[in-house]
Amino acid sequence: GAGVSQSPRYKVTKRGQDVALRCDPISGHVSLYWYRQALGQGPEFLTYFNYEAQQDKSGLPNDRFSAERPEGSISTLTIQRTEQRDSAMYRCASSSSLETQYFGPGTRLLVL
Amino acid sequence: GESVGLHLPTLSVQEGDNSIINCAYSNSASDYFIWYKQESGKGPQFIIDIRSNMDKRQGQRVTVLLNKTVKHLSLQIAATQPGDSAVYFCAESGDKIIFGKGTRLHILP
Repeated sequence: GAGVSQSPRYKVTKRGQDVALRCDPISGHVSLYWYRQALGQGPEFLTYFNYEAQQDKSGLPNDRFSAERPEGSISTLTIQRTEQRDSAMYRCASSSSLETQYFGPGTRLLVL
Repeated sequence: GESVGLHLPTLSVQEGDNSIINCAYSNSASDYFIWYKQESGKGPQFIIDIRSNMDKRQGQRVTVLLNKTVKHLSLQIAATQPGDSAVYFCAESGDKIIFGKGTRLHILP
């Protein structure tokens, strides 16, 4: 496909469970970003990669959150021992260097 | 297609002067706009936002102006400091999020 894809689109999980969110960026895009977006707010930066290297993870809320991009393409954002406050829309974006970021449709996570 | 873009890829400003970074958008349905700052090696950091029912919003040393008539957004930084050196992105959010191309702000000593 031509755009950024994310899966699953919706995830409902019970508190304490681990979840893995997947992002498939636009082919050839060097940079991949993860954001979290609360309802009615703009995307809040979590972490980003250039190729497979994680450049900045300062936005990850705590050590339950981690991300990887082992082959410089698909990325996974993992949340361990989910809590209700983790409920949000998680968005992925990709770009060619410092160019326009293209956002995926997001994964809406609901922790019960 | 829809796009958010910046008028200038690079802006050089004398330290202490005010900076104005501009952005044009094309989606009239967008109702929320955000400015981000991205320093080298770091991810985009939120600076300030504005909703479409406002035309001006002020923060600490920063002001965002929204002109819906001409679909124009600007970020004003007062008394520019060396730490303001970064790439600045505008983004629009409505039914989807569109990030514009960045403007690199250089601070001259």
